[in-house]
Amino acid sequence: DGGITQSPKYLFRKEGQNVTLSCEQNLNHDAMYWYRQDPGQGLRLIYYSQIVNDFQKGDIAEGYSVSREKKESFPLTVTSAQKNPTAFYLCASSIKGDRLEAFFGQGTRLTVV
Amino acid sequence: AQSVTQLGSHVSVSEGALVLLRCNYSSSVPPYLFWYVQYPNQGLQLLLKYTTGATLVKGINGFEAEFKKSETSFHLTKPSAHMSDAAEYFCAVSVGGTSYGKLTFGQGTILTVHP
Repeated sequence: DGGITQSPKYLFRKEGQNVTLSCEQNLNHDAMYWYRQDPGQGLRLIYYSQIVNDFQKGDIAEGYSVSREKKESFPLTVTSAQKNPTAFYLCASSIKGDRLEAFFGQGTRLTVV
Repeated sequence: AQSVTQLGSHVSVSEGALVLLRCNYSSSVPPYLFWYVQYPNQGLQLLLKYTTGATLVKGINGFEAEFKKSETSFHLTKPSAHMSDAAEYFCAVSVGGTSYGKLTFGQGTILTVHP
C-alpha cells in the first residue's frame, strides 16, 4: 500500500538532546512537508521541500533542521535550540499538478522531559 | 499571504442533527480550499476540496462545503450527524502554483456528537 510512514509514533527525550523524526513516503510525491501541531493552534509549517537536495523554511523553522537526500525521505531533527519541542509532529507530501492537497502521515508525538 | 479563521473551537450537536462548521479565509489570489478531519492521535484525512469549477463540493462521509467568494467562506455541513463524526476538523487554504501542497490551516474545530 502506498502511503507516508512516520516513526516512531511516540518519542521521549531529555531536555537538551537532539532528536530525529523519520518520514518516508512511497507515493512518488515531489514535495514533502513538516508541520507542528499544538492544541488550539492548528498546524504550523516548519520546513518543506519540493525537490531533492533543496528545502525551504516555513513559519516556525527556528530550532529545527531537515535534509532531503532522497525523494522518499524527509527527516526532521529537533535540536536543543528549540525552546518548546513537546508537540505532535506531522509529515505530509504532495504531487505537482492539479491535485494540490497534501497527504499526511500518522504523526509522531514528541515529549521532552 | 493567506489566513484561515475557524469560528468556534468546539461545536456540539446531537446525533441526527445538522452539522455546520464555519471557515472564513483571506487570500490575495484565488484560493484553493480544503477540509481535513483528524481523529485522536492520528494524521489528517482529506474530506473535500475546492479548486475550480462548481462551488458546492461533496466529500466523503456525507460532508459537503460551499465556496462563497463574496463572503470569503467555505463552511462545512452534513445534514445528519453520526457518532463516528466526532473528531477535530481543520479548514486550510493554498494558493497553488509553485506553492502546491503548502497549506495554511485554521485553528481547528472539535466536533462532539451526543447520543
